[in-house]
Amino acid sequence: GENVEQHPSTLSVQEGDSAVIKCTYSDSASNYFPWYKQELGKRPQLIIDIRSNVGEKKDQRIAVTLNKTAKHFSLHITETQPEDSAVYFCAASPGGFKTIFGAGTRLFVKA
Amino acid sequence: NAGVTQTPKFQVLKTGQSMTLQCAQDMNHNSMYWYRQDPGMGLRLIYYSASEGTTDKGEVPNGYNVSRLNKREFSLRLESAAPSQTSVYFCASSGQRNTGELFFGEGSRLTVL
Repeated sequence: GENVEQHPSTLSVQEGDSAVIKCTYSDSASNYFPWYKQELGKRPQLIIDIRSNVGEKKDQRIAVTLNKTAKHFSLHITETQPEDSAVYFCAASPGGFKTIFGAGTRLFVKA
Repeated sequence: NAGVTQTPKFQVLKTGQSMTLQCAQDMNHNSMYWYRQDPGMGLRLIYYSASEGTTDKGEVPNGYNVSRLNKREFSLRLESAAPSQTSVYFCASSGQRNTGELFFGEGSRLTVL
């Protein structure tokens, strides 16, 4: 089955810097790659997603890139702010209604 | 719209006890899911229901059973709780065909002593 690895597990950046989180997946059939943000004590919420027919997608300060050949995808957050501090999860869907998550990255943005 | 609602929010059980986590969604979604979240392990899929009347195993189904009661409701049952089932459980639903955004409930924190 699908396996998603996520790095780093913890990331600390200065406010205003960029943050990059990287994920790899194993199942070449995966065609949907969402990213979820989970604030402390809250539920995970979708922040951006990308499908396999697209290489990059942007939404304001957030961008996701996908390299299907290498089975890599990454989340880029520019001009980080303290409210970006949270746990971020990447995920991959090989179809069949399953979404498999990475282990998460705890992002700290220092003011 | 309440979205996805799950109960209870907190529960403490003794080893061997049973309990059911309830989940309901009011978004008319076809698919529903149960995940567990453990530190350092992300969200792992326990069971899912692609549509009313169907259920399938996810990554970690052992020790759990589910029931898709109707389109709105999807319950998770622990028949004989074990300390390894101490976790935060999230119910989710999705309205898109096959794969798409998951809408999560607030979570249920379960402790098994």
